[in-house]
Amino acid sequence: SQQGEEDPQALSIQEGENATMNCSYKTSINNLQWYRQNSGRGLVHLILIRSNEREKHSGRLRVTLDTSKKSSSLLITASRAADTASYFCATDVTGFQKLVFGTGTRLLVSP
Amino acid sequence: EAQVTQNPRYLITVTGKKLTVTCSQNMNHEYMSWYRQDPGLGLRQIYYSMNVEVTDKGDVPEGYKVSRKEKRNFPLILESPSPNQTSLYFCASSPKQGRGGYTFGSGTRLTVV
Repeated sequence: SQQGEEDPQALSIQEGENATMNCSYKTSINNLQWYRQNSGRGLVHLILIRSNEREKHSGRLRVTLDTSKKSSSLLITASRAADTASYFCATDVTGFQKLVFGTGTRLLVSP
Repeated sequence: EAQVTQNPRYLITVTGKKLTVTCSQNMNHEYMSWYRQDPGLGLRQIYYSMNVEVTDKGDVPEGYKVSRKEKRNFPLILESPSPNQTSLYFCASSPKQGRGGYTFGSGTRLTVV
């Protein structure tokens, strides 16, 4: 089964609002990463947070990680129509040589 | 420009006809990986390579082969494609597994009829 599960599966907001997506995982990780995918295109790496970090910022993105709860959240502030995409969390699982991806959150930002 | 290049972008083929999807990266990355993406199943790893001549199975390797003769190239081979291999395929690379994010190719949409 998937290591990462995103919530919600779909999110619809207006431009200027904030969007929050959550990710839960099951096992010990080295780091957790978030990716964006525009429809049918390749995934783009957004941000990486290591297991010993609790919060990280990059531009309008804020990521938190709670290893005790095995969960992470991605906050996109002041969203734009161009933020419309699917967002995936991916875990670098301890002892495994790969990233394990969740099934993603589809974000729709309306003008 | 640093990138992962996959070819072809779209491919329609018939059952049983061998095909190769090429993947090349220009970033001198050691780690490369192939994923397939299917609706409702997310991205699943097919094969990965830690470095030249070092490859290993991912979660769904059946029906696929790979090779890593050069650092830059990591082709995906379907010896006898079947309709259940119809999918969107992505190649990805990173400097080393566990160090930094992955750079993904633009994807190959494969249809096997």
